[in-house]
Amino acid sequence: NAGVTQTPKFRVLKTGQSMTLLCAQDMNHEYMYWYRQDPGMGLRLIHYSVGEGTTAKGEVPDGYNVSRLKKQNFLLGLESAAPSQTSVYFCASSYSRAGFTEAFFGQGTRLTVV
Amino acid sequence: AQKITQTQPGMFVQEKEAVTLDCTYDTSDQSYGLFWYKQPSSGEMIFLIYQGSYDEQNATEGRYSLNFQKARKSANLVISASQLGDSAMYFCAMREPRVGNNRKLIWGLGTSLAVNP
Repeated sequence: NAGVTQTPKFRVLKTGQSMTLLCAQDMNHEYMYWYRQDPGMGLRLIHYSVGEGTTAKGEVPDGYNVSRLKKQNFLLGLESAAPSQTSVYFCASSYSRAGFTEAFFGQGTRLTVV
Repeated sequence: AQKITQTQPGMFVQEKEAVTLDCTYDTSDQSYGLFWYKQPSSGEMIFLIYQGSYDEQNATEGRYSLNFQKARKSANLVISASQLGDSAMYFCAMREPRVGNNRKLIWGLGTSLAVNP
């Protein structure tokens, strides 16, 4: 049982380049999230999805796009990378059952935009 | 607006001693959930413990316990018998009550814990 897997783990981009971060979970979770983590800022939600084919904006969605074509995958795209997008990106997933459930996190992707 | 505050940027504790990490929250809602996560230097986020706003008992998970004081809006994490492997960043988070499909977590800025041998 792999849990939540993010690829790649590290990436360096030049300003203006594009890339896609892949998140895969094997726990049959309905909910998936993309966060970025910056020093002194904590975790900030970029986009999230409540099910296959649906996505929604979080706190800091600008400059990012997402897709959830399959329940187990949640993709985060950067169309034109900027140095301000240098960050550590985390994907997470959780159940949608009534009540509150914890989110399971991937290992993170360290992205540097130069 | 909902908010999580962790006032201790850094904490030190001697191995085998207990330590309390503070977390206060602000919400006007009656139904919410509180979480603690651990982030070691390797970077992954590890779920530690959860407390629901209607839970009457404080949550416990092994050496972790949550000191939940609802009237004071605090949800402090207590780690008993600290171990060297407990050195990490600790984040407190609150899940907003379900409104439609809203399942977002609000995060504190974290507390860095160092366990001294």
